[in-house]
Amino acid sequence: DQQVKQNSPSLSVQEGRISILNCDYTNSMFDYFLWYKKYPAEGPTFLISISSIKDKNEDGRFTVFLNKSAKHLSLHIVPSQPGDSAVYFCAASARGAQKLVFGQGTRLTINP
Amino acid sequence: DAGVIQSPRHEVTEMGQEVTLRCKPISGHNSLFWYRQTMMRGLELLIYFNNNVPIDDSGMPEDRFSAKMPNASFSTLKIQPSEPRDSAVYFCASSFVGTRPNNYGYTFGSGTRLTVV
Repeated sequence: DQQVKQNSPSLSVQEGRISILNCDYTNSMFDYFLWYKKYPAEGPTFLISISSIKDKNEDGRFTVFLNKSAKHLSLHIVPSQPGDSAVYFCAASARGAQKLVFGQGTRLTINP
Repeated sequence: DAGVIQSPRHEVTEMGQEVTLRCKPISGHNSLFWYRQTMMRGLELLIYFNNNVPIDDSGMPEDRFSAKMPNASFSTLKIQPSEPRDSAVYFCASSFVGTRPNNYGYTFGSGTRLTVV
């Protein structure tokens, strides 16, 4: 049972344009969401997070949007840069839980 | 801070052999997590420890998998006997958590790429 789903295995975007990565979840107990970025041969690294009390969190070029009614979150990267090419994982945790549940990941490729 | 250290980086073994993956968490972190990355399922949580005690091992695929954390600075994930379907990248992560991940979630190691032939 995949509680966190990233339905797009890959995404290709032109440099300078906006990249939008999507994530859906099924567990209504999730109240904290994170995005991780992973380069080849490295472990995932934290990128940005959002609590369920917010619907938007921004950090430089990265913005995460949360739509609780739709159980959907998205990561916007603008403008996209070649260094953004990586695999992006969405993750969620439930109140009182220590563990993070991850999605399958989306491979983002930024084309020059 | 050297981060989370995993060894070996790569492991190639024959089916039926025992495999041991190792992890040294960040000093001061009180929780340790073992994840497996596959194309189909992404990052799956296998087991996690809090203060060296296993809390949730519901993600361990079968009895062939076992994990230990004898002290705060070391953990192992063992597969015996190994099978080709165990081939994946195994990540260890650590964090300091009270009741939930902090704002920055986990710190991951670089992973061990396991190939069982």
